[in-house]
Amino acid sequence: TQLLEQSPQFLSIQEGENLTVYCNSSSVFSSLQWYRQEPGEGPVLLVTVVTGGEVKKLKRLTFQFGDARKDSSLHITAAQPGDTGLYLCAGALAGYSTLTFGKGTMLLVSP
Amino acid sequence: DTAVSQTPKYLVTQMGNDKSIKCEQNLGHDTMYWYKQDSKKFLKIMFSYNNKELIINETVPNRFSPKSPDKAHLNLHINSLELGDSAVYFCASSQEFSGSTDTQYFGPGTRLTVL
Repeated sequence: TQLLEQSPQFLSIQEGENLTVYCNSSSVFSSLQWYRQEPGEGPVLLVTVVTGGEVKKLKRLTFQFGDARKDSSLHITAAQPGDTGLYLCAGALAGYSTLTFGKGTMLLVSP
Repeated sequence: DTAVSQTPKYLVTQMGNDKSIKCEQNLGHDTMYWYKQDSKKFLKIMFSYNNKELIINETVPNRFSPKSPDKAHLNLHINSLELGDSAVYFCASSQEFSGSTDTQYFGPGTRLTVL
């Protein structure tokens, strides 16, 4: 059983469109991180959210941590080809120090 | 300057062979990790070292033996390679041993193919 479920698995959109990626769990996380991974590279941290209900913005990216700290979403406004990549959410369960990763959402933004 | 580096980038070998992957970080971090990413892009932690000491071993077969000669290096040796070991292996580091909020910096990965 996958602890963190990401949806959708694949997303192919045109430049300028908006999109939302979801990360859901039945477990409570002390914090949740979002990473982007480009082909042939390692994941790069985008944001960490720690407080239930927290919203963080990074330019055109908006991250939200659910009130119950069981889910998170990533919203991209006016997507650009440079946003193409694998988006991974990763959570740390309360009392644990390791990260559990979701299976990722592969995003392709076409010009 | 590369923060976390791994060698080799690609590794192709026969079943049954023994191979090593090297990792170095120049960030001055205390904690280093090895992750395995399978063909479906699922990233799973294998080991975590803090100040050269093994902290976490996530039920990885004992054919895998990490070695940390100093805080800046964490190498991964794999004995008797099997087909299922084919994957991309990522090394990462963080300042402290705290997966909850600390930023982990990942290396570029080593693509291992076992034939």
